[in-house]
Amino acid sequence: KAGVTQTPRYLIKTRGQQVTLSCSPISGHRSVSWYQQTPGQGLQFLFEYFSETQRNKGNFPGRFSGRQFSNSRSEMNVSTLELGDSALYLCASSLGDSEYQETQYFGPGTRLLVL
Amino acid sequence: AQSVTQLGSHVSVSEGALVLLRCNYSSSVPPYLFWYVQYPNQGLQLLLKYTSAATLVKGINGFEAEFKKSETSFHLTKPSAHMSDAAEYFCAVRNQAGTALIFGKGTTLSVSS
Repeated sequence: KAGVTQTPRYLIKTRGQQVTLSCSPISGHRSVSWYQQTPGQGLQFLFEYFSETQRNKGNFPGRFSGRQFSNSRSEMNVSTLELGDSALYLCASSLGDSEYQETQYFGPGTRLLVL
Repeated sequence: AQSVTQLGSHVSVSEGALVLLRCNYSSSVPPYLFWYVQYPNQGLQLLLKYTSAATLVKGINGFEAEFKKSETSFHLTKPSAHMSDAAEYFCAVRNQAGTALIFGKGTTLSVSS
């Protein structure tokens, strides 16, 4: 089975621009979660989608948004980029049926650099 | 609220030595705990998880962790370190809603020959 894929792997943007990152989950997985990883803040939860609905959201400003499509693929969007948005953005997928015990499988991430 | 504390941001061991990475948790509900490993320029890979079935959990690559409720700990160990174990290790706990992982700050493991 193919793993979680994320595109693009690397991205350079300038302040004020917006960016869209894509995540394709493992086949059969209906839950997709997004995390931001930075040296200072570590790994922080952004949001989680299940069956095209956002089920949970972390403590990030409204500039960060996401969506999920009927095939479970997900995108996240960051508008009006700031320097502090430079980070590795990780996507994780899971079945979504019994969240507590489920393993989240992570993709390789998209490294975003904001200049 | 759930939280995780990893003691020691850097741990250095010699090849063949015992690896011990510490993780303490705080949870208002029975915790579901995970250890992940991250190699440079890669995503996170699951090493093992605790789901209350057994207090001693065996994972991949020879790692294991023991859940100790009285100490609110879930330390990761490996009897004999290998050079390929050099990576960053993250302990995580499920949030109360069950929809997200709350990660510790991570511990970088260095292995010297």
